[in-house]
Amino acid sequence: KNQVEQSPQSLIILEGKNCTLQCNYTVSPFSNLRWYKQDTGRGPVSLTIMTFSENTKSNGRYTATLDADTKQSSLHITASQLSDSASYICVVTRSNDYKLSFGAGTTVTVRA
Amino acid sequence: DTAVSQTPKYLVTQMGNDKSIKCEQNLGHDTMYWYKQDSKKFLKIMFSYNNKELIINETVPNRFSPKSPDKAHLNLHINSLELGDSAVYFCASSQGDRGSWGYTFGSGTRLTVV
Repeated sequence: KNQVEQSPQSLIILEGKNCTLQCNYTVSPFSNLRWYKQDTGRGPVSLTIMTFSENTKSNGRYTATLDADTKQSSLHITASQLSDSASYICVVTRSNDYKLSFGAGTTVTVRA
Repeated sequence: DTAVSQTPKYLVTQMGNDKSIKCEQNLGHDTMYWYKQDSKKFLKIMFSYNNKELIINETVPNRFSPKSPDKAHLNLHINSLELGDSAVYFCASSQGDRGSWGYTFGSGTRLTVV
């Protein structure tokens, strides 16, 4: 079983609407959690990184939350734009060996 | 532009062939990686080099051999290609092997073995 599970697998939203993506992990011991955006045919690009003590972090219209107790994170996209159409990947780093565990991603499609 | 660049972007080849994928970064990073993204979209680490030295070598067939001529380059050579090798391969780099300052990924090389 993968140590990082993301949901939903995919979603479609209308331009201007908000959406929230979920990430649950079992990686331990925990170092940090990152959200990446991967456009089709491109490599992942970092959106946010959060350590154990951080509960929320924003990057423009993207806001990530982290609950290290329940091992859950979310990525909220506000006022979606067509350019937000991409795959969003949750990545958790283990603190003893700094190994990265990747989720399978959530594919977001924004329609006009 | 400062970036991680991979070539080629697409590679279609027959089973049994030997092929190489090249990666270069001009970010001044000292650690480079190869990842494989399978059809289910999971990214999995294959190799990591820090200052030209191999520091991570996950369980991959020995048909895959990374080569790092210098800190800015990490090439991936694959011998005797198999159908299951079809995937997108990403090169990445970071400053330090802990990725504390983040990772920069290349645009990927889509390998199709027929």
